[in-house]
Amino acid sequence: DIQMTQSPSSLSASVGDRVTITCRASQSISRYLNWYQQTPGKAPKLLIYAASSLQSGVPSRFSGSRSGTDFTLTISGLQPEDFATYYCQQSYSTPTFGQGTKLEIK
Amino acid sequence: QVQLVESGGGVVQPGRSLRLSCAASRFTFSSYGMHWVRQAPGKGLEWVAVIWYDGTKKYYADSVKGRFTISRDNSKKTLYLQMNSLRAEDTALYYCARDPGLAAAGDAFDIWGRGTMVTVSS
Repeated sequence: DIQMTQSPSSLSASVGDRVTITCRASQSISRYLNWYQQTPGKAPKLLIYAASSLQSGVPSRFSGSRSGTDFTLTISGLQPEDFATYYCQQSYSTPTFGQGTKLEIK
Repeated sequence: QVQLVESGGGVVQPGRSLRLSCAASRFTFSSYGMHWVRQAPGKGLEWVAVIWYDGTKKYYADSVKGRFTISRDNSKKTLYLQMNSLRAEDTALYYCARDPGLAAAGDAFDIWGRGTMVTVSS
């Protein structure tokens, strides 16, 4: 299976900050990388697919990018509702998720 | 509003069986691939299984292969997961999720249910 390694595992930030979460694949996955947001007690929500395409209805402060096997989720101008856990997921082969990044309020 | 509602979870002894259901509404169920994804308490997400829109192809995570069976009834707009030979490590919240069918996204999950909890314990 392809391993997905997210960093950091946790992150503290303030409303209005710009934050970046990274996900590294253990092998080439082209652009087959999706990002999800999960708030406590809720199901995950698809934010970004194909590395950089914004899912319908997702605010434009969320963006994604790729450099080789490294993928980045950026949130520009954190809002209170953005404090959550974020997961990357590769869809190049049998789906696997990163271990998650918990974004907390500083 | 597009919706998925899981049911069938509960407490079961190791080695026993359980069948989960996922009822879909307000979208053309028969046009979409469907997945099961699970989340152990306090842990991350683990993909379990996928079934194509017409039921012709099914794939499983190695951790459940040979024990779990995914199926669907498009006339009832319902997805199923038959879980046999359950183990303690199968304890998790089980979500059903819709695959948006975007070629660029590969297997992705755009609509999720709220999940049904399965606890395997003696």
